Amino acid sequence: KAGVTQTPRYLIKTRGQQVTLSCSPISGHRSVSWYQQTPGQGLQFLFEYFSETQRNKGNFPGRFSGRQFSNSRSEMNVSTLELGDSALYLCASSLTGNEQFFGPGTRLTVL
Amino acid sequence: LAKTTQPISMDSYEGQEVNITCSHNNIATNDYITWYQQFPSQGPRFIIQGYKTKVTNEVASLFIPADRKSSTLSLPRVSLSDTAVYYCLVGDDSGGGADGLTFGKGTHLIIQP
Repeated sequence: KAGVTQTPRYLIKTRGQQVTLSCSPISGHRSVSWYQQTPGQGLQFLFEYFSETQRNKGNFPGRFSGRQFSNSRSEMNVSTLELGDSALYLCASSLTGNEQFFGPGTRLTVL
Repeated sequence: LAKTTQPISMDSYEGQEVNITCSHNNIATNDYITWYQQFPSQGPRFIIQGYKTKVTNEVASLFIPADRKSSTLSLPRVSLSDTAVYYCLVGDDSGGGADGLTFGKGTHLIIQP
């Protein structure tokens, strides 16, 4: 069974731009969660989608948004990028809450 | 979600058994204990999960005392490739994934030859 895939793997943007990241979960998994990882803050939960609905949301500003499609694929969007948004963005899919399967991440650099 | 405390870093040598202890004094009745492993620039990988006593799988063992206020991840006969960050998480195992997984700082395990 194929794992979680994320595209692109690397991305460079400038301040003020917007970016869209994509995640394809493991087949059959309907829950998709997004995390941001930085050296200073560690791994932080952004939001979770289940059956096309946002079910939970972390403590991030409204510039961070997401959506999930009927095939469970998910996208995350960050608008008006700031330097502090440079991070590894991880997507995870799961059948149950705790055992989540993470993708390789998208490394976003904001210049 | 219950807060966890684990050592920032640990060192060991190839072939040794490594035990990483995590404290979770405020664990709730329906909380499970889960450990993840993360290599640089990769997503975390699920290692093991338990509720009480002892759980063992092909890569690790998890020891949980009766009061469940702590847990110990045991890695038998480590190798250089076990160098990674290990996260201890506590939360219920509902399908909702409420609040997402709360990752602390983790334990940076360094294995030397």
